[in-house]
This record gives sequence, structure tokens and C-alpha cells, in this order.
Amino acid sequence: LAKTTQPISMDSYEGQEVNITCSHNNIATNDYITWYQQFPSQGPRFIIQGYKTKVTNEVASLFIPADRKSSTLSLPRVSLSDTAVYYCLVGDDNDYKLSFGAGTTVTVRA
Amino acid sequence: DADVTQTPRNRITKTGKRIMLECSQTKGHDRMYWYRQDPGLGLRLIYYSFDVKDINKGEISDGYSVSRQAQAKFSLSLESAIPNQTALYFCATGGNSNQPQHFGDGTRLSIL
Repeated sequence: LAKTTQPISMDSYEGQEVNITCSHNNIATNDYITWYQQFPSQGPRFIIQGYKTKVTNEVASLFIPADRKSSTLSLPRVSLSDTAVYYCLVGDDNDYKLSFGAGTTVTVRA
Repeated sequence: DADVTQTPRNRITKTGKRIMLECSQTKGHDRMYWYRQDPGLGLRLIYYSFDVKDINKGEISDGYSVSRQAQAKFSLSLESAIPNQTALYFCATGGNSNQPQHFGDGTRLSIL
């Protein structure tokens, strides 16, 4: 299971783009990258998943460089409701022991 | 996520009591998990199950046991609760490249 490193916290303002970078230097060939969002007193919620290059959905974009040693979650035009903890996980289908680190606490201010 | 239901949502009990937390899912996923979350920390894996006959310990299984009664049901038991098991407990299903994990809303457990 590849170890990940992400910032503890980030502050932003409404309408701005927020980019959270996750480092995973020892990512393996079969590993994919998944991001989750967690609001207080709720379970984490899947945001986006990717293996390489760029993935975009209605919520976010995920940028993965060619070496795959890092990834960046991009939240366009954030609002107050995007204030949450964001977790980056890296692993393959055999990584059963999925653990969530402390994540990145994103605070969006008016 | 209404597809993963945890009961009870809140529970206060005393040291030494036996407690069972229940989880049911309508996702049809084979994999199910139990996590605990302490204030300001991430989620730590207690137990996981790939199907009814497959149950495995996670990183913090001491003091806990589980039962996979059916594909849709996975319960967590604290045989003799102690105060440091006070935490927020989450059940999840899925967890592979085709099925990202889906979480319940959690059970807030307080042990006095």
C-alpha cells in the first residue's frame, strides 16, 4: 500500500479554485488514485478516481503526471459547502487494508 | 449514503457492557468494512470482509469482533467496552477500482 502525503490544511475563498496535491512516491504499477470528501459527523464520500493523465467529473478534476508520483485534486469555484476534509488514497484491488490518513482540511471562507 | 445503513446512530453505555453495532447495505457489494474515527484523526480499519466466509483483521482489531451474517449485513461487537473505545464508527462497502467505497453515516459511541 503506497504511502501518501498531503497538506494538513488549506484555506480558500468562495469562487476560487482549490488544488490539493498528494505525494505518493512509491506508487506501484497497478495502483490507482482515489479521493474522498468528508463532512463533520458524516462518512467519507467518493469524489474521483484515476490511474493516469486527467480525469474530470461534475465535481472535480484529477491531474496525474506521467511519473504518477503525485496527483492533484482540483475543485473549481469552491463554495462554503466545500469546506470538508479531503483524503487521498493509493492502492490496487488487492490493497484490502485501506487506511485513511488525517487528510487535508479545506476551509472555504466568504 | 442511504445505501449503507448503520444502527444505532448514537449510543451511550458503561464500561464492561457488550455492544453490537449493525450495518446493512443495498449496494450488492461483496466487500464490507468497519472503521473507527477519533477526533481530528483519519479513519482506522478495524475489520474487513470480502464475502460471507471471508473475514480479516484490520490494523486495530483488538477488543472487537465481527459477524458477516449475509452479503448485506456486517455487525461489529465490543465484547467488554472500555472508555478508549469511545469514537465514531463507520461501516463501508465496496472498495476496488470498479466500486469505490460507500460509507454509512456513522455510529457515535460513548463509553462511560
